[in-house]
Amino acid sequence: GIQVEQSPPDLILQEGANSTLRCNFSDSVNNLQWFHQNPWGQLINLFYIPSGTKQNGRLSATTVATERYSLLYISSSQTTDSGVYFCAVDLFFGNEKLTFGTGTRLTIIP
Amino acid sequence: GAGVSQSPSNKVTEKGKDVELRCDPISGHTALYWYRQSLGQGLEFLIYFQGNSAPDKSGLPSDRFSAERTGGSVSTLTIQRTQQEDSAVYLCASSLNNVYEQYFGPGTRLTVT
Repeated sequence: GIQVEQSPPDLILQEGANSTLRCNFSDSVNNLQWFHQNPWGQLINLFYIPSGTKQNGRLSATTVATERYSLLYISSSQTTDSGVYFCAVDLFFGNEKLTFGTGTRLTIIP
Repeated sequence: GAGVSQSPSNKVTEKGKDVELRCDPISGHTALYWYRQSLGQGLEFLIYFQGNSAPDKSGLPSDRFSAERTGGSVSTLTIQRTQQEDSAVYLCASSLNNVYEQYFGPGTRLTVT
């Protein structure tokens, strides 16, 4: 099956710092989503980005489908950004299940 | 509008008992998915519904697990004769159609004692 690798596994930053999270995947995808799992376990949708670049406030994401990777950028980090960030992909058109990476645990220190 | 809802939020059960977990998708979403999140396995797919049909059951870990969806809306995931390894957070997601963004519910935390 498709492999999804995220890096780094853990990241500790001071408030106000910027960060880049990476997601590599092993095959062509039709869907790529970034999620933030908050301390209560809720998966919050950040981006639906099978290709291209999107921005939402302090967050932006870029997916280069031909090179099989996606990047999530967080600028001016806040303590509320802490949590686990997951990348998830689905492989084929019609193969609808999301395969998740193992996540990046981000801790923002005040 | 309302998001995906799941009930119960927490369930503690004794080994060998049956449990039912419920998912209410976003209104109008035709696709519904079950996943589970456990410490050792991460987030893994269980089953997918399009309408009331389940074209992909490949993630169900054993025949103790079953799911149904009625009226193209509510879904229940049933685990029979629960085992300790079934302890996990069970997450439900829905999407407008099978090719669109998936939205997740808050999950049901199942603990088997």
